[in-house]
Amino acid sequence: DIQMTQSPSSLSASVGDRVTITCRASQSISSYLNWFQQKPGKAPKLLIYATSSLQSGVPSRFSGSGSGTDFTLTISSLQPEDFATYYCQQSYSTPPTFGQGTKVEIK
Amino acid sequence: EVQLVESGGGLVQPGRSLRLSCAASGFTFSTYDMHWVRQAIGKGLEWVSGIGTAGDPYYPGSVKGRFTISRENAKNSVYLQMNSLRPGDTAVYYCARGVGRNGYDYWGQGTLVTVSS
Repeated sequence: DIQMTQSPSSLSASVGDRVTITCRASQSISSYLNWFQQKPGKAPKLLIYATSSLQSGVPSRFSGSGSGTDFTLTISSLQPEDFATYYCQQSYSTPPTFGQGTKVEIK
Repeated sequence: EVQLVESGGGLVQPGRSLRLSCAASGFTFSTYDMHWVRQAIGKGLEWVSGIGTAGDPYYPGSVKGRFTISRENAKNSVYLQMNSLRPGDTAVYYCARGVGRNGYDYWGQGTLVTVSS
């Protein structure tokens, strides 16, 4: 199985900050990388698919980049509603696997 | 409006079985692959099964041989039959709509499965 490792596991940031979350795959996954946002008590929400494609309705302050084994999710200007846990997921091979999550907290 | 509604969760003893259901509405169910993803309380996400439009099932090693996914297009429903349950299977189970390799674009609200004596 492909292992997905996110860093950091948690971070504290202020409204308006630029935030970057990194996801590394244990082997090349081409561009088959998706990002999800999850708020407490809620189901995950698809933010970005295929590394950099923004899901419909997701604000443009979210962006993704990378290829091969290294990927990033960037929030250009953190908003109050962005405080949540973020997960990357590879869809290159079965079983699809998730990173352990990055919790974005208010500083 | 796309909706996914899970049911069937509850408390079950180790070694027993449970069947989860997911009722879909608001889209052409037969044209999408469907998935189950679970999350232990306070932990991360784990994919536990998927089923293609042709009814082809997929499982990770952790549940293969114990869990069976199926779909009934006439009822716009997907099911997860869970046998030989273990305490480690305790989690919220989410039903999700797959969009090929582009992740899961709609999720249900989840149903809690607790495996305990």
